[in-house]
Order: sequence, then C-alpha cells, then structure tokens
Amino acid sequence: NAGVMQNPRHLVRRRGQEARLRCSPMKGHSHVYWYRQLPEEGLKFMVYLQKENIIDESGMPKERFSAEFPKEGPSILRIQQVVRGDSAAYFCASSLDTILNSPLHFGNGTRLTVT
Amino acid sequence: AQSVAQPEDQVNVAEGNPLTVKCTYSVSGNPYLFWYVQYPNRGLQFLLKYITGDNLVKGSYGFEAEFNKSQTSFHLKKPSALVSDSALYFCAVRASRGGYQKVTFGTGTKLQVIP
Repeated sequence: NAGVMQNPRHLVRRRGQEARLRCSPMKGHSHVYWYRQLPEEGLKFMVYLQKENIIDESGMPKERFSAEFPKEGPSILRIQQVVRGDSAAYFCASSLDTILNSPLHFGNGTRLTVT
Repeated sequence: AQSVAQPEDQVNVAEGNPLTVKCTYSVSGNPYLFWYVQYPNRGLQFLLKYITGDNLVKGSYGFEAEFNKSQTSFHLKKPSALVSDSALYFCAVRASRGGYQKVTFGTGTKLQVIP
C-alpha cells in the first residue's frame, strides 16, 4: 500500500543550479498538490495539477519555478537558478478527487538546502 | 479569501491531562474543515474532518474536534494526552462549493506533552 512517494528526501544545491523534485501520487490518485514549508510559516500552497494540466498555480512564483504532471511518470517541481531563499521542505500531496471532502495524502517531503 | 488562524505557536500539556489545540477559520459559505498531524521529518497525516452533521467529530488516535459555526472555530481536543501525541498540528479549511477549491492550512501548533 504505497503512499505518496517523494524523492530525493534531501537535496543540496549550490546557488544558480537547478533543483528537480519528484512526486509519485498514491495509486489511483490523479490530483497532485505541491506545498512549501518553512519554519514558523506553516504550509504554503504552490500549485495544483491533474494529469497533463496545471489547474491552479497561484501560489507558485512566476519566475524560476515550474511544475508538471505528465501522462506517464511522476509529477516534477523544478526550480531553476536556485537561491538561498529557496531552502525549505517541499511537500507533495495527492487526492482521489476534488469533490466533497477527499483528504490530502502527503509524502515525506524533499528538504532542499541551497548553499 | 479564505484563511485559517492557529493562535498558539505551542501548547504544553502534562501527560494524562486533556488537551485543546485552537483553530478559527474564515471562508465564503459553509466550510469543510480538517486536522492534520506532522511528526518530525515526515509529511502531514490526516486526523479528522468536518463536513456536515454532528458538530463533534471523532478521528484517529482518540482525537476529536468541535465545530462551532457562530465562533467560526474548529478546536482539536483529546481527553487524555499521551507523550506520543507530541507533534505539529495543522488545521485546514476549504469551501464546500463543488469543483476545485483550494485547501488553506494554518501555520501549525506544536504540541508538547510533558511526561
């Protein structure tokens, strides 16, 4: 009963490099959400995707950040030209659907450190 | 815009005592409300949800939450705290309208149960 799988668990990048974070949703889930967590800031919504579509990217910075959820394979959150302020824990969540009250199922996160 | 407030950054309680973690919300129309728990270096785990019906909702690990519409609150409670309940707790809200609705999380409350 595999849950939401995120990799890598830890990622270290130098300023200016690219970071790629991967998320495989729970089996049967076609809705993926990315959140960012900073200490004392809680969980900030970034983007919501369905297969091959970005539904809501209102929480994602317009520059350097992008996300995709292809027909095959995991969802990818990509951060180009990383800066120290990008250091955070990034969580992916999936849900069965968006109607009513489907809870979100979270992965264990990717902790990005920018040096 | 919807929002969630968790007014206490940290709650300390002695083992065996009752605990309350506070949450108030703001949303257009009727809310769907959720509580999640996060253990160190892990993703969030769903605890319980309020959709409609009984104002007292029972969830996992002996937790329950009370929905109060007039006070727009959804406080998390447990009659007798365990040391293993020590974790970070997040309240979340979404509107109950159909289709995609963003889930908004609070900033989290750290619960420390003292042996």
